[in-house]
Amino acid sequence: SQQGEEDPQALSIQEGENATMNCSYKTSINNLQWYRQNSGRGLVHLILIRSNEREKHSGRLRVTLDTSKKSSSLLITASRAADTASYFCAHTGTASKLTFGTGTRLQVTL
Amino acid sequence: DTAVSQTPKYLVTQMGNDKSIKCEQNLGHDTMYWYKQDSKKFLKIMFSYNNKELIINETVPNRFSPKSPDKAHLNLHINSLELGDSAVYFCASSQGTGGVEPQHFGDGTRLSIL
Repeated sequence: SQQGEEDPQALSIQEGENATMNCSYKTSINNLQWYRQNSGRGLVHLILIRSNEREKHSGRLRVTLDTSKKSSSLLITASRAADTASYFCAHTGTASKLTFGTGTRLQVTL
Repeated sequence: DTAVSQTPKYLVTQMGNDKSIKCEQNLGHDTMYWYKQDSKKFLKIMFSYNNKELIINETVPNRFSPKSPDKAHLNLHINSLELGDSAVYFCASSQGTGGVEPQHFGDGTRLSIL
């Protein structure tokens, strides 16, 4: 399977703490994207990092990409209760389609 | 001002029935997709259309037939529904193909087969 794997599967932190999620994949990629899915809703695109980039920031989000290790990480700083959601990485390779990871369920408590 | 809208939101039906899910996007995107998300939240692409032409057709039973009347609409018809078809089906759209642009998702259609 070309599906990516995410780690951890579930993460519970307190508001104000940082949350780090990791993603590994198996093939060469053109880009890697991170999405958020709130309960009962569709996926929302957060950030895209291209294969020639190593780090990208967007607000409280920081994404890194290590193509030699075929891995990426998403850091959410100063988490809020509203960040509670599932987070998915997705990569595009030669197949010209998005292949999603298994997801990390993030719970941020007050 | 919903960008990608799907109907219905919930669909409960019996095995053997035929049903359709509709999707519309008002983003002016060229490419639309259908994804299936199972009970473990695993999301897998089923089909992709670019300007009304089928460009991705994953290993999906031929009971599933997508139709794109124009580039803003992509419908999914399912014949002879089976228990294993129970899942959440998501429509998405993007500008361009190849997964190089962010995709915009609808809120899903929750299909339950009795």
